[in-house]
Amino acid sequence: QVQLVESGGGVVQPGGSLRLSCAASGFTFSSYGMHWVRQAPGKGLEWVAFIRFDGSSKYYTDSVKGRFTVSRDNSKSTQYLQMNSLRAEDTAVYYCAKAKEMATDYWGQGTLVTVSS
Amino acid sequence: QSALTQPPSVSGSPGQSVTISCTGTSSDVGSYNRVSWYQQPPGTAPKLMIYDVTNRPSGVPDRFSGSKSGNTASLTISGLQAEDEADYYCSSYTTSSTWVFGGGTKLTVL
Repeated sequence: QVQLVESGGGVVQPGGSLRLSCAASGFTFSSYGMHWVRQAPGKGLEWVAFIRFDGSSKYYTDSVKGRFTVSRDNSKSTQYLQMNSLRAEDTAVYYCAKAKEMATDYWGQGTLVTVSS
Repeated sequence: QSALTQPPSVSGSPGQSVTISCTGTSSDVGSYNRVSWYQQPPGTAPKLMIYDVTNRPSGVPDRFSGSKSGNTASLTISGLQAEDEADYYCSSYTTSSTWVFGGGTKLTVL
């Protein structure tokens, strides 16, 4: 069965950096695009980034452009989100999700990122 | 990249039908048949319920259906059950090659 397991969350000071990982199993990782979606405490879902199956194209929401970088290692069935210059408003649960057409059919359980001094 | 507009809450009694609207623009909902809907019970990850406006993934009951007219998409849940109580989010692909979610709708089963 499909499994997505996020890791790397934690508490970081404003201006700091963090790298999230998403380990995938149960499907041919190298054949699918992957998303990152976040949810601030008590708030709604916000799409963050997408990377094509082969890593050739990457897309970001405006608020993270220039600060976040999505990448993947198909040999390890893992995608990453490098987050730099973190702000308080980046505090959220970050979900990794597998693409299905232009939707997402499987989600991980999320990893919490808290940006606070 | 403004969020799609959803009503904050809807409610219905068991057995009834409810409809949740999702209003976007000609740059997202109105441009493509790429609207999806997600169900999120408290404390859990979202679950895909509808994709490409009307398609149900395997395992999703046919009580859930989707539609679209112009810049507004809708999710209808018929034969409401207690287990349907959750937050629901719409999402659309956009002309900027990005995705946008709605603000979410809390469904209460009375």
